[in-house]
Amino acid sequence: GDSVTQMEGPVTLSEEAFLTINCTYTATGYPSLFWYVQYPGEGLQLLLKATKADDKGSNKGFEATYRKETTSFHLEKGSVQVSDSAVYFCALAEGFNKFYFGSGTKLNVKP
Amino acid sequence: GAGVSQSPSNKVTEKGKDVELRCDPISGHTALYWYRQSLGQGLEFLIYFQGNSAPDKSGLPSDRFSAERTGGSVSTLTIQRTQQEDSAVYLCASSLQAGQGRLGETQYFGPGTRLLVL
Repeated sequence: GDSVTQMEGPVTLSEEAFLTINCTYTATGYPSLFWYVQYPGEGLQLLLKATKADDKGSNKGFEATYRKETTSFHLEKGSVQVSDSAVYFCALAEGFNKFYFGSGTKLNVKP
Repeated sequence: GAGVSQSPSNKVTEKGKDVELRCDPISGHTALYWYRQSLGQGLEFLIYFQGNSAPDKSGLPSDRFSAERTGGSVSTLTIQRTQQEDSAVYLCASSLQAGQGRLGETQYFGPGTRLLVL
């Protein structure tokens, strides 16, 4: 069945470091892919999304490219800030009622 | 405008009791979703409503769980005879619609209800 696997955390980086959070998926069809973020004390919110192969989602300096050949949707940012400290969830949506979220990766950015 | 709201924000109950969790979606959003986030786990999809259509209940973890959506707006998730393993954060989300037969619409999440079953 469909599933999402993302790298375990926590990930600890210094400010201005390069960030990669890996996400791979398994799907029977052509899913849409998402990254959601949960800042401390706040609810989940969409960070970016891509709805077809080779699409690149981007927002707030974060990027992720939908790679069908490697079934991946890795999240990247060139220079992280302390304010990026949060839990990041990779997610997949397919059809009308298939939603799968990864287990979340906690990012800690130190000044 | 107002986002997705959920109530109560926290609920402590005794094993065997029934609980009701409420979700108010964003006005105009026709799709509504329930998820469960257990400690240390990812989000587990429970059920999805599109307008007034009958939902697909296959994601509900047991027959103690049920959900309804009245008038295509407010939704209630009911857990009967709660068990300790039901302790989790229950999240509700809404989106504009399913979208042209494919689900790619952005979901907006509520703050969640933290349920603790003693």
